Amino acid sequence: AQSVTQPDIHITVSEGASLELRCNYSYGATPYLFWYVQSPGQGLQLLLKYFSGDTLVQGIKGFEAEFKRSQSSFNLRKPSVHWSDAAEYFCATESGGYQKVTFGIGTKLQVIP
Amino acid sequence: SQTIHQWPATLVQPVGSPLSLECTVEGTSNPNLYWYRQAAGRGLQLLFYSVGIGQISSEVPQNLSASRPQDRQFILSSKKLLLSDSGFYLCAWSVGTGSEAFFGQGTRLTVV
Repeated sequence: AQSVTQPDIHITVSEGASLELRCNYSYGATPYLFWYVQSPGQGLQLLLKYFSGDTLVQGIKGFEAEFKRSQSSFNLRKPSVHWSDAAEYFCATESGGYQKVTFGIGTKLQVIP
Repeated sequence: SQTIHQWPATLVQPVGSPLSLECTVEGTSNPNLYWYRQAAGRGLQLLFYSVGIGQISSEVPQNLSASRPQDRQFILSSKKLLLSDSGFYLCAWSVGTGSEAFFGQGTRLTVV
């Protein structure tokens, strides 16, 4: 079964610093991969997704993610973090054909002045 | 445009009481529907998903059940709540393989 692992539960960065959130997937074929963001007490919003093609994917709010098959990774990046980026970020995967979307444990991002 | 409604927003229920959480989607047909539970430190746990009316796939054996009586209605139920059922429940929908999942605002359930 497909799964994703987010090894960092909490990350703290200074405002203006760069950010990288890690995600590793486990699946035989190339999976569908997603990054979602959740503000406190809210539902989730899609930041970006990858299916195939260009391995560097651009998303909303200045985020991007790079798919690396050799490392089974799909890390989320942002060159300069804003205080409003403080939230919880979830990596997700869907196995094609089963339409079942599973999420990682999430990474809570704290942004300090 | 499509919208998803999930209610109630918060719920406090005693142990042993029944549960019914409802989720409806507007503006689309034959969506995939999902119920997730979010607990601290455990991410989003997929509980049930449905690709059509009456088709329910259960991911985790537990005290809960789901039903899809209509195309755009997804209900999460329990006959007798346990303390461990407390959590944040999220309903979501998507249009098919590889598509974005759209989430409701969630229900905070506290079992006391």
